[in-house]
Amino acid sequence: AQSVTQLDSHVSVSEGTPVLLRCNYSSSYSPSLFWYVQHPNKGLQLLLKYTSAATLVKGINGFEAEFKKSETSFHLTKPSAHMSDAAEYFCVWGNTGFQKLVFGTGTRLLVSP
Amino acid sequence: EAEVAQSPRYKITEKSQAVAFWCDPISGHATLYWYRQILGQGPELLVQFQDESVVDDSQLPKDRFSAERLKGVDSTLKIQPAELGDSAMYLCASSLRQGKAGELFFGEGSRLTVL
Repeated sequence: AQSVTQLDSHVSVSEGTPVLLRCNYSSSYSPSLFWYVQHPNKGLQLLLKYTSAATLVKGINGFEAEFKKSETSFHLTKPSAHMSDAAEYFCVWGNTGFQKLVFGTGTRLLVSP
Repeated sequence: EAEVAQSPRYKITEKSQAVAFWCDPISGHATLYWYRQILGQGPELLVQFQDESVVDDSQLPKDRFSAERLKGVDSTLKIQPAELGDSAMYLCASSLRQGKAGELFFGEGSRLTVL
């Protein structure tokens, strides 16, 4: 079965330092992969998506992710954290043919001043 | 900017009572989803509609849950009777058309607490 594993339930960084949120996927074929962000008491918002084009994907708010097939990873990064980045982040596997999405368990990003 | 509307935002009910949630997707979006998000977990798909037809309801507990999208626009998710384990956030999402995987637009959710 297809799935994604988010390796950290919580990540804490200081404002201005780099962010790394880790995600590994398992799939028998090349997946579509996404990162969504959820701020407290808000709906989820698409940050970026990988759909077999460029392996380095740029998203909104300075985030980017790199698809590495050899490592079955799709880690999310940002060079410099901002206080407003504090939120829950979900790595998501997608079936482009049927729009089926499988969500990871989420990583809560905490940003301290 | 167009948004997915959901109501109510919060609902507290006692077990064995009936509960209903409403969702109005972005205008023109043919595909509508209901997800359940238990605290500390990722969202799980309950039901997916393409226009007024159910595409996937394999994870919907059909003994107590029902969903409809009669005119292919807004949708209602009902739980009857509610159980303690149903306490969760119920998220509605929509997308322009099938095949555009991942480009889902989510509402702010309806948080259910069952006492």
